[in-house]
Amino acid sequence: SQELEQSPQSLIVQEGKNLTINCTSSKTLYGLYWYKQKYGEGLIFLMMLQKGGEEKSHEKITAKLDEKKQQSSLHITASQPSHAGIYLCGADGGGKLIFGQGTELSVKP
Amino acid sequence: NAGVTQTPKFRILKIGQSMTLQCTQDMNHNYMYWYRQDPGMGLKLIYYSVGAGITDKGEVPNGYNVSRSTTEDFPLRLELAAPSQTSVYFCASSYSVRGVAYEQYFGPGTRLTVT
Repeated sequence: SQELEQSPQSLIVQEGKNLTINCTSSKTLYGLYWYKQKYGEGLIFLMMLQKGGEEKSHEKITAKLDEKKQQSSLHITASQPSHAGIYLCGADGGGKLIFGQGTELSVKP
Repeated sequence: NAGVTQTPKFRILKIGQSMTLQCTQDMNHNYMYWYRQDPGMGLKLIYYSVGAGITDKGEVPNGYNVSRSTTEDFPLRLELAAPSQTSVYFCASSYSVRGVAYEQYFGPGTRLTVT
């Protein structure tokens, strides 16, 4: 079965700093999703990547899928307190998503 | 559109009690899912459904049951609550094209405590 490993598990950064969260799959990724979860709330869809080498950006968040389609990264530029939360990557497992364990991000003002 | 709605938001159960977590979506999505989230463990899929009348087990189905009589509703049933079922439960839905599911929309969650 496919497994997703996220790193780091938690991250504390100073406001304004850049950061990167990684998601590594045990198998080839045919669809990689990034979600954000605010504490006590549901998940909000951020981006979906499908093609090797694909890169997408939304505001200050950029997600990439490597050429071999086994690793994805989420990069936040000039972090803000509003970026705080739990980031989860999910892989398409034939109509259902398999999630990583999540990365908890705290941004210190 | 309300999106995905879940009720209740919070519930405390005694061991051995039963309850149903309700989930409704108004986006006409054919795929629906139930997850549980435990601290530091990400989300684990309990059951999912690819359409009315069709359900299938996920990673952690034991102790749960589901039904999908309509496109909109996907209730999750706990028959004999156990402390191990203390968790936050999320319902989600997505649309699909030719069997490929797209991004999932999540409900706000139900926080369940079994004591």
